[in-house]
Amino acid sequence: DIQMTQSPSSLSGSIGDRVTITCRASQTIDIYLNWYQQKIGKAPKLLISAASSLQSGVPSRFSGSGSGTDFTLTISSLQPEDFASYYCQQSYSTPLTFGGGTKVEIK
Amino acid sequence: EVQLVESGGALVQPGGSLRLSCAASGFTFSDHWMHWVRQAPGKGLVWVSRIKTDGSRTHYADFVKGRFTISRDNAKNTLYLHMSSLRAEDTAIYYCARDAISPARPTFDHWGQGALVTVSS
Repeated sequence: DIQMTQSPSSLSGSIGDRVTITCRASQTIDIYLNWYQQKIGKAPKLLISAASSLQSGVPSRFSGSGSGTDFTLTISSLQPEDFASYYCQQSYSTPLTFGGGTKVEIK
Repeated sequence: EVQLVESGGALVQPGGSLRLSCAASGFTFSDHWMHWVRQAPGKGLVWVSRIKTDGSRTHYADFVKGRFTISRDNAKNTLYLHMSSLRAEDTAIYYCARDAISPARPTFDHWGQGALVTVSS
């Protein structure tokens, strides 16, 4: 199974901060990496697919990059509605696996 | 508008069985692979199972193999998860999720609201 390791597990940020979350795969997954946002009590929402493809309707302050084993999700200017948990997910092979999540909190 | 609505969540005793349903609307159900993903209380997301468009192929996480069965009825636009030999560690919110057609790799582009399954005596 491919293990996905996210860091940090939590972070505190202020409105307007630039925030970066990293995700590392235990083996190469090419660009087959998706990012999801989950707010408390809600279902996850797809933000980015194939490492860097922003989903329709997702604000452009979100961006993704990386290939192989190392990936990043960047929020260029943190907004109040961005406080949530974020998960990476590899789509390279089954079993499909998620990172442990990163909780973004208000400083 | 794409909608996925799960039902069937309940409190069940260890060793018991339960069937979850996911009613789909707003899209051509038979065009999409479908998945179940679960989330234990306060924990992260874990993929459980997936099924091909016509139901001819299924895949499972090792921890549910032989205990859970995924199926679908394209005429009823409904996805199912039959769970048996339930354990306390199966306690979770179970989400059904639609697989996007593009990119051609498993990508969960729409999710239901989730169904809570609690396994306890």
